[in-house]
Amino acid sequence: GAVVSQHPSRVICKSGTSVKIECRSLDFQATTMFWYRQFPKQSLMLMATSNEGSKATYEQGVEKDKFLINHASLTLSTLTVTSAHPEDSSFYICSARAWTGDGNTIYFGEGSWLTVV
Amino acid sequence: DAKTTQPTSMDCAEGRAANLPCNHSTISGNEYVYWYRQIHSQGPQYIIHGLKNNETNEMASLIITEDRKSSTLILPHATLRDTAVYYCIVRPTNAGKSTFGDGTTLTVKP
Repeated sequence: GAVVSQHPSRVICKSGTSVKIECRSLDFQATTMFWYRQFPKQSLMLMATSNEGSKATYEQGVEKDKFLINHASLTLSTLTVTSAHPEDSSFYICSARAWTGDGNTIYFGEGSWLTVV
Repeated sequence: DAKTTQPTSMDCAEGRAANLPCNHSTISGNEYVYWYRQIHSQGPQYIIHGLKNNETNEMASLIITEDRKSSTLILPHATLRDTAVYYCIVRPTNAGKSTFGDGTTLTVKP
């Protein structure tokens, strides 16, 4: 299947700093990518839809100024957590849509663990 | 996206078939059924999807009822590495974002 890669897989940052997470589609082009957040023992929660060449669409309750999303190319979307605080510590996962014979399938990255200390 | 209902947890003996049910009684005509699984500390892994016909691939089989209101994911010979949270999702094939429920935690026991 298609491959979606995230980097870094784990990151620790100090409170108040910003951290960037990259999501790449390795063998296909993705005009749309999606960012999720997952807290321990909970399900994935969609944060935003990342659109290549245009602004991201954020889900209700997600601060767009805090979670900056850039989708500058067909294979790369980035999520920047600005002024991170300990409550932002979470597992962040991206996904991308790959077109298949009967429509499309969504493939997920390996996830990125963010710890804010 | 239509909502789905799955049992919270299931156990299965190693080597036996694991049958994971999913109810999606409000599914629309253009919505597919997708199955993903998430092994601890990893991103979700695509397993299989279908519209109305039963589907099979190297990982699993998907059985969809004739009225499409429920489906069953079958892992024919479960191994310890199949222990994971399994998510059933329904969405149109041209849509991208997926709404995740709580899924079923499958534990395969020796």
